[in-house]
Amino acid sequence: EIVMTQSPGTLSVSPGESATLSCRASQDVSNYLAWYQLKPGQAPRLLIHDASTRATGIPTKFSGSGSGTDFTLTISSLQSEDFAIYYCQQYRIWRTFGQGTKVEIK
Amino acid sequence: QLQLHESGPGLVKPSETLSLTCTVSDYSITNSYYWGWIRQSPAKGLEWIGSIYHTGLTYYSPPLKSRVTISIDTSKNQFSLNLNSVTAADAAVYYCAREIAGRHAFDFWGQGTVVTVSS
Repeated sequence: EIVMTQSPGTLSVSPGESATLSCRASQDVSNYLAWYQLKPGQAPRLLIHDASTRATGIPTKFSGSGSGTDFTLTISSLQSEDFAIYYCQQYRIWRTFGQGTKVEIK
Repeated sequence: QLQLHESGPGLVKPSETLSLTCTVSDYSITNSYYWGWIRQSPAKGLEWIGSIYHTGLTYYSPPLKSRVTISIDTSKNQFSLNLNSVTAADAAVYYCAREIAGRHAFDFWGQGTVVTVSS
């Protein structure tokens, strides 16, 4: 099983600042990597697939990069609606998720 | 716009079978997509359970494979999850979702349904 490790576990960010989230795969997943945003009581939201392709309707403030084993999600100019938990997911072999990074208001 | 809605008992007894159904609205389940089940728990975060194609072809998470069955009913535009021999570790929010065509990221999700395991 491919293990996905996200860091940090919690990221404290002031509104208006940027956030950089990391995701590392235990083996090469090429660019088969997605990012999701989860908020309580809401359906999870796909942000990025194929490591860097924004999903339909996702604003340009969300950007993904990386390939192989190391990936990054960058969120620019955080607003109140961006504070949430973010998960990465690989789909190179089966589908496995990271444990999540909580982005909280500083 | 495609919508997915999970339904089923919110409480299951240990050792019994958890059964959930996902109803897909405003979109035909027979289009060329995979449909999946994912769960979220405090202990494990998000965990993929399995996925099914409209033909009935299934893929299951290896750790859960021995206990999981996913089926599809194209006449009702629904797909279902059965997870047998449940324990407290199976308590979670269960989501159904659609996989992107040609990829296995999930682009549309239901709101999720809470399942508690208790006698």
